[in-house]
Formats: sequence, C-alpha cells, structure tokens
Amino acid sequence: GAGVSQSPSNKVTEKGKDVELRCDPISGHTALYWYRQSLGQGLEFLIYFQGNSAPDKSGLPSDRFSAERTGGSVSTLTIQRTQQEDSAVYLCASSLTSGGQETQYFGPGTRLLVL
Amino acid sequence: RKEVEQDPGPFNVPEGATVAFNCTYSNSASQSFFWYRQDCRKEPKLLMSVYSSGNEDGRFTAQLNRASQYISLLIRDSKLSDSATYLCVVNRGGFKTIFGAGTRLFVKA
Repeated sequence: GAGVSQSPSNKVTEKGKDVELRCDPISGHTALYWYRQSLGQGLEFLIYFQGNSAPDKSGLPSDRFSAERTGGSVSTLTIQRTQQEDSAVYLCASSLTSGGQETQYFGPGTRLLVL
Repeated sequence: RKEVEQDPGPFNVPEGATVAFNCTYSNSASQSFFWYRQDCRKEPKLLMSVYSSGNEDGRFTAQLNRASQYISLLIRDSKLSDSATYLCVVNRGGFKTIFGAGTRLFVKA
C-alpha cells in the first residue's frame, strides 16, 4: 500500500519568504509527527497530531513555525519569514495510534534550503 | 545532557565482523525502545523493537538493561548492505518519542 508521502521533495527559498510543507500520512493512521533533521544531526521533534488536534506544540522552534492537520489526514507545516538556520530536512511520520509501541512510518522528507 | 545518547562513530568493520552499539537514556520512566536504521539521504525505518528479555531477528540482537538505562544492538556476520546510521529510539509513553543522533556504520569488503 501507499506509504507516507511528502511534498515538495526539495525546496529552495530566499530568506524572509514563507514556505509550506505537506505530508500525506498512511491512510487510517491517526497519529502524525513532524521532525527536523539538520545535516549530520539526529531527529528533532517538532509537533505531534492525534487526529486533527496537536496536544504538544512545545517542539516548534519559534512562533514562525505552525502546523495544521485537516480531516485527520493531510498535514501542512508552515514556516514564516524563513531564516538560514531553518535549512534542514523536514520529516513527517505517521503511526496507527499514538501508543508508545507503535511503529512510526516516515516519509522521504522535504529538503529545505534557505538562501 | 541529551536524553538519548549514542556514540556517533563511525564504526568501520570488515565484512563478516561482529559489531555492537550501545545507547544510554536518562529518563527512567522510558517505556518502549527501538532501533531504527537510516540510509544516507533516506528516511528512518524501523529495524527492531527492543524487549525487556532481549530479542533476536536474524543477525541482529537487541538487549535492554533497565537498571543501567542502556540498550544495545549486536550485528553478526556484517554485510556491505548493513552500512547505515543506526538510531536509538526511546518512548516515554504515548507520543513522546526521542531519537538519538545515531551511530554510523561502514562495512567494507
């Protein structure tokens, strides 16, 4: 079946512009996660959705970052007024539920480069 | 101190070698443990869960030591295709999952 998909796969933008990153989770997965991975670094948790609700936004680096999920499916991560330090790979993952034992299935990521 | 710590490596081993990675975690309330594998410029994928009694999947063996708060991954008879970054993952319960920065493994012919 279809896995997690993300778009765009690559995005180059100028400092100060807004960007939107999209994630399509596996159908039927209620939990959705956004992570950021900088070059050579581990995954940094950004935000989690259970259905359309985001009970924990504490991982968002600043108020320039926001995310929403609609219909319990597609999610969009928006970065306003991008800065060069926002350059990273943004990974989305989904799992069947938010239980601790659940496997997270990752999308291929969006590589963001802010010039 | 990071909540999940791993030796970044790289570990350079010949084909057929046995290699082991350790990972330590600081939160004693952690409940679930996993190893994920990440190939270069690819997304992470689950390699195996780690159970309290230890578990084995083919050439891979995972162990958990709750008293000392570490987990380990042993790879026997290394293959070239095992070359990747291995991520230690700890879940505190519910959605809160912490990924280690990973240990890089290079297996050479």
